[in-house]
Amino acid sequence: DTAVSQTPKYLVTQMGNDKSIKCEQNLGHDTMYWYKQDSKKFLKIMFSYNNKELIINETVPNRFSPKSPDKAHLNLHINSLELGDSAVYFCASSQGGTSGIGEQYFGPGTRLTVT
Amino acid sequence: SQQGEEDPQALSIQEGENATMNCSYKTSINNLQWYRQNSGRGLVHLILIRSNEREKHSGRLRVTLDTSKKSSSLLITASRAADTASYFCATGGSNYKLTFGKGTLLTVNP
Repeated sequence: DTAVSQTPKYLVTQMGNDKSIKCEQNLGHDTMYWYKQDSKKFLKIMFSYNNKELIINETVPNRFSPKSPDKAHLNLHINSLELGDSAVYFCASSQGGTSGIGEQYFGPGTRLTVT
Repeated sequence: SQQGEEDPQALSIQEGENATMNCSYKTSINNLQWYRQNSGRGLVHLILIRSNEREKHSGRLRVTLDTSKKSSSLLITASRAADTASYFCATGGSNYKLTFGKGTLLTVNP
């Protein structure tokens, strides 16, 4: 009954490969996010979808492509992986509201290591 | 651009003591949130304080917000070893975006 789940938990791959990370939430939230946390623990928003519509698209290389097949799922596909892509990627969800962003629920993270 | 900035970067205390962490930010906000991250885990939401609130409590947590100084503090009273974690403040505007600070690493020694 995990609220926000991600697969895989660990991903080790070589430079130049293409990989995907999947995220699912069972909270009934309408907004989902991808964050990247670097080795210094700095957490940066990458993308956000609200009701399957892309609403936040930060300055991210176009090798990264999010896809939201429905409100409960948000996947992240990364092409031509580079060493600098090594990080922990977190998925999160929240329920949108009229008074701004509310609390977010985070998945356990996917540790991506590019060799 | 980074919004919140926590202070101190690291804090080490003994069990039973209180821990205070501060967060400063730069632009106007709708709310400010605090999250905890245990090593190797995802972030867990602790408390949200709206821009028109000055203080909020939740169990052993007390959060204050001073919008005139653009700062917030998180107080954990009677700390326990299980409180050892990184603590992040995050500012929320009128859109769906949360901007996180760099975090404070709290170590509570038994």
